[in-house]
Amino acid sequence: GAGVSQSPSNKVTEKGKDVELRCDPISGHTALYWYRQSLGQGLEFLIYFQGNSAPDKSGLPSDRFSAERTGGSVSTLTIQRTQQEDSAVYLCASSSSDGLQPQHFGDGTRLSIL
Amino acid sequence: QKEVEQDPGPLSVPEGAIVSLNCTYSNSAFQYFMWYRQYSRKGPELLMYTYSSGNKEDGRFTAQVDKSSKYISLFIRDSQPSDSATYLCAMSEEDSNYQLIWGAGTKLIIKP
Repeated sequence: GAGVSQSPSNKVTEKGKDVELRCDPISGHTALYWYRQSLGQGLEFLIYFQGNSAPDKSGLPSDRFSAERTGGSVSTLTIQRTQQEDSAVYLCASSSSDGLQPQHFGDGTRLSIL
Repeated sequence: QKEVEQDPGPLSVPEGAIVSLNCTYSNSAFQYFMWYRQYSRKGPELLMYTYSSGNKEDGRFTAQVDKSSKYISLFIRDSQPSDSATYLCAMSEEDSNYQLIWGAGTKLIIKP
């Protein structure tokens, strides 16, 4: 597609369950980013991929969070043993290279933990 | 204290007014400054991008950076109801310019 695609758009799950969030970047974009946006807060950086490798995982809030990227394209963010504080909008962005190129965002996955 | 401070608003102005949105920051190493617009239930969309200090104009939008005061602004001229959205500032250092640090966003309402 033309833009960054994220699925699902909404996810409601019970505390303790695992969830997988998917991001399909713009074709040809080598850099991919995951952010978390809580109500009334700015975006919180989670992880950055250049190709399939993640030079910076510093933003992942705990070891329950992990992400991978395969084929230099699709990325999956996995949250294990979800907690209520994980409820947020998870945004994915891609750019044609890191740094100076603008980051193009998907519309996010709204995650609610009951 | 957060690295980037932004008044959450809401800021409500009549159609046609000039809007001024601002962010302050504490990290003097920031070199790249961006403004994004975010409509409800959508992802952020890049509006303006500047490097270091100075002004940049694009249509009805003007971005200003004052590094000596650690203060950035976005001006919107002839505001329209379609400009109603949340405006987020973001900035990054030279050495880690992929990692954007974000303000919390200002909600702007343009009244017809």
